[in-house]
Amino acid sequence: EDQVTQSPEALRLQEGESSSLNCSYTVSGLRGLFWYRQDPGKGPEFLFTLYSAGEEKEKERLKATLTKKESFLHITAPKPEDSATYLCAVEGGSYIPTFGRGTSLIVHP
Amino acid sequence: DAGVTQSPTHLIKTRGQQVTLRCSPKSGHDTVSWYQQALGQGPQFIFQYYEEEERQRGNFPDRFSGHQFPNYSSELNVNALLLGDSALYLCASSSGTQYEQYFGPGTRLTVT
Repeated sequence: EDQVTQSPEALRLQEGESSSLNCSYTVSGLRGLFWYRQDPGKGPEFLFTLYSAGEEKEKERLKATLTKKESFLHITAPKPEDSATYLCAVEGGSYIPTFGRGTSLIVHP
Repeated sequence: DAGVTQSPTHLIKTRGQQVTLRCSPKSGHDTVSWYQQALGQGPQFIFQYYEEEERQRGNFPDRFSGHQFPNYSSELNVNALLLGDSALYLCASSSGTQYEQYFGPGTRLTVT
């Protein structure tokens, strides 16, 4: 059974204080690892897909990296508008996406 | 270009009743997936529809059923509602050749 564990559950940062979110996973035959951002009461917003270990992708202040066991979402110089829950998901040989519980990020001005 | 739309936004039902939720995919997308998200949890995959057929199914009972129409829109039906079915129901669409899924705003279902 595919599993995704995200840490920390919650993270409070000051504006400009860079940090990283972790996504540890076990999956049979990784087809893709996905990062989403979810604002309260809304549907998740797609951020990145990573397909193989060593791959990196960037978007504005966010950078996602992937190893064979985990993925990191690095947030550089965050702003209050980056406050949200960040979700990680994997899809493997079962073709069924498995999501983690997310990391709730609050960035204080 | 309209994104994924879902209706209704909120719904209150009584235990034992049946409910139908609706989803229109993003323009150009032909695949629709449904998820259940309980408070404080990540989304759980219910099933996926492609070419009007259920292609994948998660660990949900047969009370959860769906349909996809020729215009790619989709319905999620839940029978014999339980209190535990209270959740945010999310629809996501994608193109058959792409992994990226685009989510709708969700339908908040409350079962009393």
